[in-house]
Amino acid sequence: DQQVKQNSPSLSVQEGRISILNCDYTNSMFDYFLWYKKYPAEGPTFLISISSIKDKNEDGRFTVFLNKSAKHLSLHIVPSQPGDSAVYFCAASANTDKLIFGTGTRLQVFP
Amino acid sequence: GAGVSQSPRYKVAKRGQDVALRCDPISGHVSLFWYQQALGQGPEFLTYFQNEAQLDKSGLPSDRFFAERPEGSVSTLKIQRTQQEDSAVYLCASSLVGGSTYEQYFGPGTRLTVT
Repeated sequence: DQQVKQNSPSLSVQEGRISILNCDYTNSMFDYFLWYKKYPAEGPTFLISISSIKDKNEDGRFTVFLNKSAKHLSLHIVPSQPGDSAVYFCAASANTDKLIFGTGTRLQVFP
Repeated sequence: GAGVSQSPRYKVAKRGQDVALRCDPISGHVSLFWYQQALGQGPEFLTYFQNEAQLDKSGLPSDRFFAERPEGSVSTLKIQRTQQEDSAVYLCASSLVGGSTYEQYFGPGTRLTVT
């Protein structure tokens, strides 16, 4: 049972445009959500997070939106840069220490 | 400063062999996590330590998997009698304190291939 789902395995965006990565979850007990970025042969790197008491969190070019009623969150990257090309994982936790990850979305930003 | 390090980076084991994977967390980090990442999947939680105490081992897939952190710093994940389904990348992460709202810093992982 996949509690965190990333239904788009890949996304291709032109440099300078907006990248939107989506994530859906099923467990209503999740209260904290994170996005991680992963380059090949490296471990995931924390990008941005959001608590369930908020609906938006912004950090530079990265913004995460949370829609609790739809059990959906999204990561917006604007403007997209070639260095953003990586696999992005959505993760969630339910007042515990362990993270539940989605299967990832591979983002490719082309010139 | 130094990040989370893991060794070996790559390990090939014959089915039935025992393996030991090492994780050196960031100095001073209280919490340490092990995750297993199969090809094309996201990381899956295995176990969690706070200092030397193993607080959650609910993700360990079988009793062939064992993890320890005897002095609250370095951790070892041991897999006995390896099977082909154990082939995966094993990721270690550490965080300054407990609680998921604190960022987990990941190591590069150990890629285990069981032949």
